[in-house]
Amino acid sequence: QKEVEQNSGPLSVPEGAIASLNCTYSDRGSQSFFWYRQYSGKSPELIMSIYSNGDKEDGRFTAQLNKASQYVSLLIRDSQPSDSATYLCAVIAGYSTLTFGKGTMLLVSP
Amino acid sequence: EAQVTQNPRYLITVTGKKLTVTCSQNMNHEYMSWYRQDPGLGLRQIYYSMNVEVTDKGDVPEGYKVSRKEKRNFPLILESPSPNQTSLYFCASSSLKTGGQETQYFGPGTRLLVL
Repeated sequence: QKEVEQNSGPLSVPEGAIASLNCTYSDRGSQSFFWYRQYSGKSPELIMSIYSNGDKEDGRFTAQLNKASQYVSLLIRDSQPSDSATYLCAVIAGYSTLTFGKGTMLLVSP
Repeated sequence: EAQVTQNPRYLITVTGKKLTVTCSQNMNHEYMSWYRQDPGLGLRQIYYSMNVEVTDKGDVPEGYKVSRKEKRNFPLILESPSPNQTSLYFCASSSLKTGGQETQYFGPGTRLLVL
């Protein structure tokens, strides 16, 4: 059974701080890793994808991947109240199905 | 505009009354999938399709049917809905490249209440 684990939260950070979201996965064959943001009642929206070890930066977001430790993280710099949402980690191995974690709720207070 | 559409967006029905939720994508994606999302359980895959006439079960297929007669459409059929199928449903699609899937794009969701 492929598993993706995330802390459910909520993770509370003040506006302007760095939010750090973590995810571990069980399938060593996983090759593609994604972070989605989901506002309550809305559909998941892709914010980052990462395929190789190391860091990938896009604006205020940085995804970090460590395949040896089976660990992927998302850093959000200069957090804004509009970043308050649930963040879903998802992984794929090849042509297999996308497996989601249950998500971490992030609350950014003004 | 590249998008995945679902209809209806909201549906209230009664136990046993057959219903279909449509899903359509305009990105020429090979892969399409249905998920349900329930509080505390996250997104769970119901069925997926790798291409026309190719479908397979996901994690929670019981009580659902799908078909893929055209590349752009992937309807979800509930032959005899029950209250435990009350949920938020998402359709998604992605391109298949050498080595695997690309990013999945999600539809806006269908909120279903079965009385």
